[in-house]
Amino acid sequence: QKEVEQNSGPLSVPEGAIASLNCTYSDRGSQSFFWYRQYSGKSPELIMSIYSNGDKEDGRFTAQLNKASQYVSLLIRDSQPSDSATYLCAVNDQAGTALIFGKGTTLSVSS
Amino acid sequence: EAGVAQSPRYKIIEKRQSVAFWCNPISGHATLYWYQQILGQGPKLLIQFQNNGVVDDSQLPKDRFSAERLKGVDSTLKIQPAKLEDSAVYLCASSPGQGAYLYGYTFGSGTRLTVV
Repeated sequence: QKEVEQNSGPLSVPEGAIASLNCTYSDRGSQSFFWYRQYSGKSPELIMSIYSNGDKEDGRFTAQLNKASQYVSLLIRDSQPSDSATYLCAVNDQAGTALIFGKGTTLSVSS
Repeated sequence: EAGVAQSPRYKIIEKRQSVAFWCNPISGHATLYWYQQILGQGPKLLIQFQNNGVVDDSQLPKDRFSAERLKGVDSTLKIQPAKLEDSAVYLCASSPGQGAYLYGYTFGSGTRLTVV
């Protein structure tokens, strides 16, 4: 059974700072990795996907993947109060057609 | 394109009653998923359909939960009888034919179930 681990937080950062969210996964065979953002009372929305080792940047968001360490991270630069949400890490399952989610990390950005 | 549609948005029932949730995926998406998200936890896969066939229902409590996807489009998830621990948000998601590996999911707005 694959596992996806995240620190539940809360992670608190001041406005304008860099927020760093981390995720580890148990199955070395995992090949696709996703970050979802979930506002309170809302459904998760996909914000980043990454498949290869290294960094992938999209605006203020950077996803980092290290398959040797089985580690995925999400960096949010110039954090804004609107970034306050729960961030879910997701990894594909053995068949590759479903996602396994971590418990999520709650981020709070103070102005 | 229209998103994943779910109904109802909220449902309150007493334990031992039955309840049904409905989902209409994004047009053309062959893969449909039902997830359960308990407060403070990540979504947990209940069942995955590819067209109208079940791909994975290993985590579906089959003694009380059932799901179907007739004609490979809409899907319904039913709980009978409900227990207090079934209180959660039930999320439906869909993905194009190759599944989550390539595209990730688009989630619907979810149904918040409260069992009292």
